[in-house]
Amino acid sequence: AQKVTQAQTEISVVEKEDVTLDCVYETRDTTYYLFWYKQPPSGELVFLIRRNSFDEQNEISGRYSWNFQKSTSSFNFTITASQVVDSAVYFCALSESLGGGKLIFGQGTELSVKP
Amino acid sequence: EPEVTQTPSHQVTQMGQEVILRCVPISNHLYFYWYRQILGQKVEFLVSFYNNEISEKSEIFDDQFSVERPDGSNFTLKIRSTKLEDSAMYFCASSERYTEAFFGQGTRLTVV
Repeated sequence: AQKVTQAQTEISVVEKEDVTLDCVYETRDTTYYLFWYKQPPSGELVFLIRRNSFDEQNEISGRYSWNFQKSTSSFNFTITASQVVDSAVYFCALSESLGGGKLIFGQGTELSVKP
Repeated sequence: EPEVTQTPSHQVTQMGQEVILRCVPISNHLYFYWYRQILGQKVEFLVSFYNNEISEKSEIFDDQFSVERPDGSNFTLKIRSTKLEDSAMYFCASSERYTEAFFGQGTRLTVV
């Protein structure tokens, strides 16, 4: 069975601090896809990134970076120099297929960035 | 930028009533989904829809629920006889063949 665990329920940081959100997943599939979504206070779900299981290269996008390690089944998300606008709930998700596959979400991590 | 649009943004209904939640997916997308998020909890998969039929559904998606694509643009979720525990945010999403899913802004359903 597939499962996503985000052990950090809430994280509070002060602006400009770096913060890492942890995500651990379980799957028996050899091909799978990992995602991060952001849910700001307004409630919508915003897609941030997708990684394929066969591509372990880390990715950086501005202040955001993602560390994918198959050996530890982790897909962690780091925000560098956090800003108040980063305050949101962040969800890690797993799917066995791309296009048509259901997403299995973690419980989410609520990040609060204080000025 | 194309987006998934959901209406209404908030629906209040009495227990036992039928509700229809509406979604307009991104126009060239092929796969459509409904997800549910009970307040403060994680997002849960309900159903996926492709080629005018359900491709997968979860245990939550029982006989009270149905989906339909009545025309070329709309995708609806119907709950036949609402229960208090159906109160949640319902998200519609769509995707192309080999891409991630993009979500709408959600419909908050309150059953009283």
